[in-house]
Amino acid sequence: SSDLTQPPSVSVSPGQTARITCSGDALPKQYAYWYQQKPGQAPVLVIYKDSERPSGIPERISGSSSGTTVTLTISGVQAEDEADYYCQSADNSGTYVFGTGTKVTVL
Amino acid sequence: QVTLKESGPALVKPTQTLTLTCTFSGFSLSTSGMRVSWIRQPPGKALEWLARIDWDEDKFYSTSLKTRLTISKDASKNQVVLTMTNMDPVDTATYYCARTPPGGCSGGSCYVDYWGQGTLVTVSS
Repeated sequence: SSDLTQPPSVSVSPGQTARITCSGDALPKQYAYWYQQKPGQAPVLVIYKDSERPSGIPERISGSSSGTTVTLTISGVQAEDEADYYCQSADNSGTYVFGTGTKVTVL
Repeated sequence: QVTLKESGPALVKPTQTLTLTCTFSGFSLSTSGMRVSWIRQPPGKALEWLARIDWDEDKFYSTSLKTRLTISKDASKNQVVLTMTNMDPVDTATYYCARTPPGGCSGGSCYVDYWGQGTLVTVSS
């Protein structure tokens, strides 16, 4: 299956750690990417190639991969991290696949 | 400075054909490894990738929508055009164009680093 499954929501208190998982059969063979999307805005790339951070993305945002699951970790969560997060990879035919999306709420 | 901007009708009727134009600046789609995709997002729902065109004219389409989609480019005008036939109310969404830079693909998977602001297309009679 080319689907990428994420939890619909994650809630976290300021200063705590948020972890967002993304599961899919293709992930052991394909890199994963993560995007942050705030209301009314276009997505922003926050992680590429499973764990690389683009310039300008804070170090408290990190990515990791293990088997069929990739994880986005936000350490020391701040109010500004409240957003929707999407993982993305590719299926066996090379077309892009997005995850189902996770809404992160900062309590 | 890389920018992309989508343009097209805000409202289309069911069964009509949608034509969207992505006008970009700050990069050239003639550069080896450059790619531009169209991605959409229905209100309150997840992102869905639609199509991609590469610097070398290679084209890729969503498996589920490929019979309805056509992507093309005019590199001299810095534009990429997407047409989608037989529009239906379920196609109501914000449509984004986005860039994959050279080096942005590894082992068959690619990311996008710059997105347009998106354009909302509503399908209704």
